[in-house]
Amino acid sequence: EPEVTQTPSHQVTQMGQEVILRCVPISNHLYFYWYRQILGQKVEFLVSFYNNEISEKSEIFDDQFSVERPDGSNFTLKIRSTKLEDSAMYFCASSVGDRGRGLNSPLHFGNGTRLTVT
Amino acid sequence: LAKTTQPISMDSYEGQEVNITCSHNNIATNDYITWYQQFPSQGPRFIIQGYKTKVTNEVASLFIPADRKSSTLSLPRVSLSDTAVYYCLVGDKRYSGGGADGLTFGKGTHLIIQP
Repeated sequence: EPEVTQTPSHQVTQMGQEVILRCVPISNHLYFYWYRQILGQKVEFLVSFYNNEISEKSEIFDDQFSVERPDGSNFTLKIRSTKLEDSAMYFCASSVGDRGRGLNSPLHFGNGTRLTVT
Repeated sequence: LAKTTQPISMDSYEGQEVNITCSHNNIATNDYITWYQQFPSQGPRFIIQGYKTKVTNEVASLFIPADRKSSTLSLPRVSLSDTAVYYCLVGDKRYSGGGADGLTFGKGTHLIIQP
């Protein structure tokens, strides 16, 4: 069964540094997402991406965050200047997206990148 | 503001049927109800999706009443490996034209299965 893959599985960085989290969505999917989950808390939506542009974003997704699909397979999340509170699991997801905003298409999640900011 | 309401936790025993109910009063007319399962340190995993009445697949059933303001995930004959957090995810009619809130998970239900 095709799956979403994320790299690295764990990233440690110092406060103020830039990090890039990488994802390879399922190949025939059209909608791409980033979520995060702070330890012990709920899964929080960051951003959705469709047709090479952001379709929706949450309040968490401020100017420090950006997403890119640099080629036909990768989908990246960049945090320009990390803060301690950015420490979390970051999940990439993709969906076929054939129903409206893509919400009604099941999301397929990767196993996440654990980001630790020190 | 949460768009769904679920019990925070539930306990059951191996071999039992478990039913988890989710309330979603503001579900949009065209939105489906989707349930996910999450194990520690893993991404959520799609379980089942439905629009109305009943849907069944190899792992679960989903019961949705006519008003669609709630849904019940039914797990038959649970095992220890079903211990996980279960989320229901629906749209919100206040954001029928778009909006990030419709893509937000609630707190989920932590299901604990005991021997």
